[in-house]
Amino acid sequence: NAGVTQTPKFQVLKTGQSMTLQCAQDMNHEYMSWYRQDPGMGLRLIHYSVGAGITDQGEVPNGYNVSRSTTEDFPLRLLSAAPSQTSVYFCASSRRDSPLHFGNGTRLTVT
Amino acid sequence: AQSVTQLDSQVPVFEEAPVELRCNYSSSVSVYLFWYVQYPNQGLQLLLKYLSGSTLVKGINGFEAEFNKSQTSFHLRKPSVHISDTAEYFCAVSDRAGGGSEKLVFGKGTKLTVNP
Repeated sequence: NAGVTQTPKFQVLKTGQSMTLQCAQDMNHEYMSWYRQDPGMGLRLIHYSVGAGITDQGEVPNGYNVSRSTTEDFPLRLLSAAPSQTSVYFCASSRRDSPLHFGNGTRLTVT
Repeated sequence: AQSVTQLDSQVPVFEEAPVELRCNYSSSVSVYLFWYVQYPNQGLQLLLKYLSGSTLVKGINGFEAEFNKSQTSFHLRKPSVHISDTAEYFCAVSDRAGGGSEKLVFGKGTKLTVNP
């Protein structure tokens, strides 16, 4: 039982490059979300999904896209990376009224 | 909109001493509160949650928290800490009526360092 799996663990991008952070869960959870963690800022919600085909914006959605074509996967896309997107990204999933299960994070550096 | 304030960014304590990590919240809907712990280079794990009922909530690893509606607080306590409790602790409030976890608002975190 893998839980929430994030790939890659580390990534370095140049300004303007695009990439997709992958997130998969095998717990059949309806809800999935992406957070970014920056020093002294806690975790801030980027986008979330309450089920396949349904996504919504969180607190800091600009510069990021998501889609939810299956229950298991919730990729996060950076279309044109900027240094301000240097951060640690966490994917999480849950059932309704159950605690969030977090992945181990992706550390992204944009130069 | 919901918000969370963690009053201390860093808390150093000695092993076997008691500790309190402070959290204040604001919420426009019914209050659902959480404490998460993050060990170095890992994701977050749930310590405890308050959805309703008793205001004293017990969690894992000997931690407990008390919900105080009049003071809008949800402070985390442990009577005797261990070196292994060194981690960053996050208080969070649900932004969903019903306490759904899909949209949590987190505080900025408190780094607890337990010294021998």
